[in-house]
Amino acid sequence: EIVMTQSPATLSVSPGERATLSCRASQSVSSNLAWYQQKPGQAPRLLIYGASTRATGIPARFSGSGSGTEFTLTISSLQSEDFAVYYCQQYNNWPQLTFGGGTKVEIK
Amino acid sequence: EVQLVESGGGLVQPGRSLRLSCAASGFTFDDYAMHWVRQAPGKGLEWVSGISWNSGSIGYADSVKGRFTISRDNAKNSLYLQMNSLRAEDTALYYCAKDYYYDSSGSPFDIWGQGTMVTVSS
Repeated sequence: EIVMTQSPATLSVSPGERATLSCRASQSVSSNLAWYQQKPGQAPRLLIYGASTRATGIPARFSGSGSGTEFTLTISSLQSEDFAVYYCQQYNNWPQLTFGGGTKVEIK
Repeated sequence: EVQLVESGGGLVQPGRSLRLSCAASGFTFDDYAMHWVRQAPGKGLEWVSGISWNSGSIGYADSVKGRFTISRDNAKNSLYLQMNSLRAEDTALYYCAKDYYYDSSGSPFDIWGQGTMVTVSS
């Protein structure tokens, strides 16, 4: 099983600031990495796939980078609606897919 | 509108069984692999199981292997999860999710249901 490790567990950021979230895979997942956003009481929403491609309707302030084992999600200027929990997921190792433990982005 | 609606959750005693269903609409169901993902109260997401479009490829998380069985009925646009020998640690909100890529073996999930809650307790 590929283990996905996210850091930090919690990130305190002021509105308008930049947020950088990390995700590390225990072995290479190539670019088969997705990021999801989850708000309280809601299902997760796909933000980024292929490590760096924004899903439909996702604002340009969200960007993803990385390949292999190291990945980053950057939110360039945090808006109030961006405070949420973010998960990475590898889908390289079908049929055993795995999520990271999540990073909570909270208001500083 | 593309939609997934889960059902079948509830309160069940340890060791008993439960069957979850997911009704799909708004897309060609038999073109896509489907998955179950769960989330224990206050915890993160855990992929549980996935099934290819034609049921030819199936996978399970180690935590449920041998106890849970995923299946699908393409004629009914439905996904199922048979859960046997349930444990307290299976308590979670169970989501049904759709692959983004057509006919793929490895894809992110673009559509999620709202989930059905399973509580395992005596």
